[in-house]
Amino acid sequence: NAGVTQTPKFQVLKTGQSMTLQCAQDMNHEYMSWYRQDPGMGLRLIHYSVGAGITDQGEVPNGYNVSRSTTEDFPLRLLSAAPSQTSVYFCASRRQSFSNQPQHFGDGTRLSIL
Amino acid sequence: GQQVMQIPQYQHVQEGEDFTTYCNSSTTLSNIQWYKQRPGGHPVFLIQLVKSGEVKKQKRLTFQFGEAKKNSSLHITATQTTDVGTYFCADVYGGATNKLIFGTGTLLAVQP
Repeated sequence: NAGVTQTPKFQVLKTGQSMTLQCAQDMNHEYMSWYRQDPGMGLRLIHYSVGAGITDQGEVPNGYNVSRSTTEDFPLRLLSAAPSQTSVYFCASRRQSFSNQPQHFGDGTRLSIL
Repeated sequence: GQQVMQIPQYQHVQEGEDFTTYCNSSTTLSNIQWYKQRPGGHPVFLIQLVKSGEVKKQKRLTFQFGEAKKNSSLHITATQTTDVGTYFCADVYGGATNKLIFGTGTLLAVQP
C-alpha cells in the first residue's frame, strides 16, 4: 500500500542548480499538490493540480514549475535553486478536487541549498 | 489572501494535563480540517468540521467549530506522550478548486 511516494528523501544543492522533486501516488487521486514547510510558518501551498493536464499556482509559486502529464505523477521543478528554497517539501493527494476529502501526504523531501 | 493563525505556537505540558490549540481567521472559514504531524513525519488527517457550532470527539480529542465559523479549537484531555507533535488546522478554501490553506501550527511537547 504505497500511497504517496516522494523521492529523493534528502538532497543538497548548490545555488543556481536545478532539480526535480518526484511525487507519485497509486490511489487514482485527481487532486495533487505541493507544499513547503518552514519553521513557524506551517505548510504553504506552492502549486496544485485538479487533474492530468491542469495545474495552477498556490500561495508561493515563484521559483517552481510543475506539470501533470499523468494522473499518478506530479513533479516539482526548481529552476535555479536559491538558499531561500531550503525547506521540507511535501506532496499530497486527495480523491477529488471538488470535495472535502482528506489529503494524503508523502514522507517529504528535505532540501538544503548551499 | 486567506490567513489562518494558530495559538499558541508552542505548548509544553506534563503528562496528564489538558491541552488546547486555537485556530483563528479574520474571514469566515469554509470547512476546517485538522492534521497531526509527529516529529520528523508528515501531516496525517484527523477530522473535518463543516457546520457552525459543530463538536466532534475522538477518544481524548475534542474538536469544535465556532458559531460564526471564524475559529476552531482542538482540546486534548489528559495528554499522553503519544500526543507529541504539531497540530495544524486547515481551511478548505478556494471555491471550486478547494485549496487547503494551513494554519501556522501548534507544537505540543509532553513531559512524562
